[in-house]
Amino acid sequence: AQKITQTQPGMFVQEKEAVTLDCTYDTSDPSYGLFWYKQPSSGEMIFLIYQGSYDQQNATEGRYSLNFQKARKSANLVISASQLGDSAMYFCAMREPGTSGSRLTFGEGTQLTVNP
Amino acid sequence: GAVVSQHPSWVICKSGTSVKIECRSLDFQATTMFWYRQFPKQSLMLMATSNEGSKATYEQGVEKDKFLINHASLTLSTLTVTSAHPEDSSFYICSASKRESTDTQYFGPGTRLTVL
Repeated sequence: AQKITQTQPGMFVQEKEAVTLDCTYDTSDPSYGLFWYKQPSSGEMIFLIYQGSYDQQNATEGRYSLNFQKARKSANLVISASQLGDSAMYFCAMREPGTSGSRLTFGEGTQLTVNP
Repeated sequence: GAVVSQHPSWVICKSGTSVKIECRSLDFQATTMFWYRQFPKQSLMLMATSNEGSKATYEQGVEKDKFLINHASLTLSTLTVTSAHPEDSSFYICSASKRESTDTQYFGPGTRLTVL
C-alpha cells in the first residue's frame, strides 16, 4: 500500500523568505505522479504543481518548485518569496499508478503561516 | 480553464433528512469525478470514484446506501446523503479529471454540511 507522509504539521516563515514543505512517499510502482495542493481557509483545493515519476527535471510553476529526489522518495515543495496570501494548508498527494481517473492519496497536510 | 463548481456551498439540515450536493465541471468534460470528505484539521478522505454512465466505486467503509452518487453526464455528478445524522456533518469536496488528461484533478470549492 502506498503512503504519503508530511512530517510538518505547522510551519512559519517571514514574508519574502523561502520555505520548504516536506513530503515523502512510498510506492513500489515505477510510474506515479506527485501533486501539491493549497487549501486556504475558504476550503477550496488549489492545484499548485505536478511532478511525474519519469520527469527528468524538477517541476516549477512561478514561485513554486518541486524538489524531487527519487532515490529518497521525497517531493518537497519550495515556495520562494513568501507572501501573506500563501498562508494556508498545503497537501502533498500521489496518483495511484495503474488506475483510471487519477485516484489520489493525500498526506496529512502542513499549515503554513507567513508572518509580516 | 478547469473550473469545478459545487452547490450548495453550505447546508444545514435536520437529522433524518436527505441532502443532495451537486458537482459540475463548467468548462470541460469530466471523465471521472471524485467525492471526498474532510473533517476539521484533517486530510481529505476519498469516499468514492464515479465515471460517467456507470456505477460509482466506493472506498472501504463508505456506505453505498447512505451516500448515493450519480454521474449522469460528463459535467455533472451528485452526492446525496440519505437520512443524515449529526456524525455526517463534514466538508464534502468533489473533484474532476478532464477527459483528455487523467493526471490532474480539479477541485470544487466544497460544501459544508451541518446536520442538527
